[in-house]
Amino acid sequence: EAGVAQSPRYKIIEKRQSVAFWCNPISGHATLYWYQQILGQGPKLLIQFQNNGVVDDSQLPKDRFSAERLKGVDSTLKIQPAKLEDSAVYLCASSLEGLAGWTNNEQFFGPGTRLTVL
Amino acid sequence: GQNIDQPTEMTATEGAIVQINCTYQTSGFNGLFWYQQHAGEAPTFLSYNVLDGLEEKGRFSSFLSRSKGYSYLLLKELQMKDSASYLCAVRAQGRNTPLVFGKGTRLSVIA
Repeated sequence: EAGVAQSPRYKIIEKRQSVAFWCNPISGHATLYWYQQILGQGPKLLIQFQNNGVVDDSQLPKDRFSAERLKGVDSTLKIQPAKLEDSAVYLCASSLEGLAGWTNNEQFFGPGTRLTVL
Repeated sequence: GQNIDQPTEMTATEGAIVQINCTYQTSGFNGLFWYQQHAGEAPTFLSYNVLDGLEEKGRFSSFLSRSKGYSYLLLKELQMKDSASYLCAVRAQGRNTPLVFGKGTRLSVIA
């Protein structure tokens, strides 16, 4: 089974430029997450999709960040314009929709995109 | 709000046992996860606890006490490849709610 795919793996841009990241989740996974992981910290959720709908975007800086999952499969995350503090690894994760009752509903992570803003 | 605390760094000797603690305060609780993350790589799932008690999986075990808001990850027979960050994450009430991660504990295994 193929894992979560992300591209690019690395990106270096100057502040005020725009950048986009792409994620393709595991086939059949309805839920997709974008996390931001700053060096030395744990991942922080930016946005969660269930199929093509947004479930939680409360921590997404909407003045500069946007994300979409138009067909309920792959997703793009955009930053426009970028700031120095956006330098981080952007992780995409996916999970099966939870079944009734107890389930661990494990999240599978992609390799991440390491963004450096100069 | 949600708060998750774990030590920043730990060092242990190859072949030894190490325990990484995690305490949490959350609004609702629907499971605690441990992930391993090697430098420059994605987190990989290690364990899941939703009921009190110990879950054992090979060299790794995870314990949960919901009344104390406390968990630990126990690594036995440490190997050099176990050097990594270990992330404690909690899911609030709900079926598909996202995980809230701690800052991670960086474990160094020395010879």
